[in-house]
Order: sequence, then C-alpha cells, then structure tokens
Amino acid sequence: GNSVTQMEGPVTLSEEAFLTINCTYTATGYPSLFWYVQYPGEGLQLLLKATKADDKGSNKGFEATYRKETTSFHLEKGSVQVSDSAVYFCALGPYGNNRLAFGKGNQVVVIP
Amino acid sequence: GAGVSQSPRYKVAKRGQDVALRCDPISGHVSLFWYQQALGQGPEFLTYFQNEAQLDKSGLPSDRFFAERPEGSVSTLKIQRTQQEDSAVYLCASRGASGGTNTGELFFGEGSRLTVL
Repeated sequence: GNSVTQMEGPVTLSEEAFLTINCTYTATGYPSLFWYVQYPGEGLQLLLKATKADDKGSNKGFEATYRKETTSFHLEKGSVQVSDSAVYFCALGPYGNNRLAFGKGNQVVVIP
Repeated sequence: GAGVSQSPRYKVAKRGQDVALRCDPISGHVSLFWYQQALGQGPEFLTYFQNEAQLDKSGLPSDRFFAERPEGSVSTLKIQRTQQEDSAVYLCASRGASGGTNTGELFFGEGSRLTVL
C-alpha cells in the first residue's frame, strides 16, 4: 500500500539551529512527495513538493530531496526562525482516486 | 473565494446528536476531499468528489457519515448520531482540474473541530 512514516515526537530547537525532519514512504508506482505545514490556528498549506526521483523541492529556506533508493523525503532547513514553529506533515500521492496519504506530523518549536 | 472556507470552525455536540459541516471550495475547483484529523495524527482520507459525483467514499468510517456536493461546489459532511470517537478536526481540501503535470497539490481549509461530549 501507500503510506508515510515520520519520526516520532516533537522537535524543539533554538533559533538559527539546523532542522531535519525524517520522512520515509512506501508506495506503489511513482507518486509525488509533499511537505505540508500547519501554522497555529491555520489550515495545512503546501510547503514544497517533488514529483520524481532525485528532484529537490525548496521553499522558504526549506529543502527536501526525493530519494528513491532510500524511499525518503527528509525535510531540512539550515537556520530556523521562531516563525518556523508549526506542525509539518509529509505526504505522498496522488493515488487511487487522487487522494494523498499523510504522515502523523511533527510539531516543531523554535525557541528564541 | 480566495481560499477554502469551512464552517463552523468549532462544534460541540452531545453524543447522539447529528451535525453538519460545510465546505466552500476555491471557486472553479473540480475536486473536493474530506479528511479527518484526530488529535496528534495526520489527516486521514474520508471521501472524494469530482464535481457533484462522489467517486470514492471508502474512507468514511461508518454509515453514520454522509457527504454530498449536489451542485458541484459547496459540500456538506453530515455525521448522524455522533459518538465520542467522532471527535476530530474535519478538513476539506480542493484542487483544480489537472493540466500539464498533475502533481496532486491540495488546498486546505482551516478545518472544523468537532467535540462530542
């Protein structure tokens, strides 16, 4: 089947620290991969995406590379800001009737 | 509208009550999805519409859940005889007609948080 696994637990780090959030996937076919972000009190919004193997998605200083050999799509940012505090969801798709499959999400808290 | 709009944002229901949650997608968007997000979990697919046709309802957890989109725009998710396990955030998302490469991006509303007492 199609599924996404994110690392367990919230992530707390200091401003300007390096952020990595792990995401691995299981998929049939060749899905696109996404990172969505949910800021406090807001809906999910697309952060970045990659549509095929070795593609790198990037936005707002965040990057993720579609690694088919390791079935991964880890999210990285070199220097986080307090405003990056949010919940981050990895997702893949579309499959079936155009649906996306989401991971459980990781809460990121950036401390000044 | 400019974005996906959902109402109500918060709903408290007594167990056994019926509730209706509304989604107003981005104007012109063909595809509409409902997801359920339990506390601390990622969104789980419930159902999918293409225009007014409900093409996939395989994610609906029971026959107490019913969704409709009669004119191909606004959609309503109805939950009958609510139970405590129905407490969650219900997310609506829409997507335009695919053109070129369909990369599957969804546009989400802020969600309706349902609490069943």
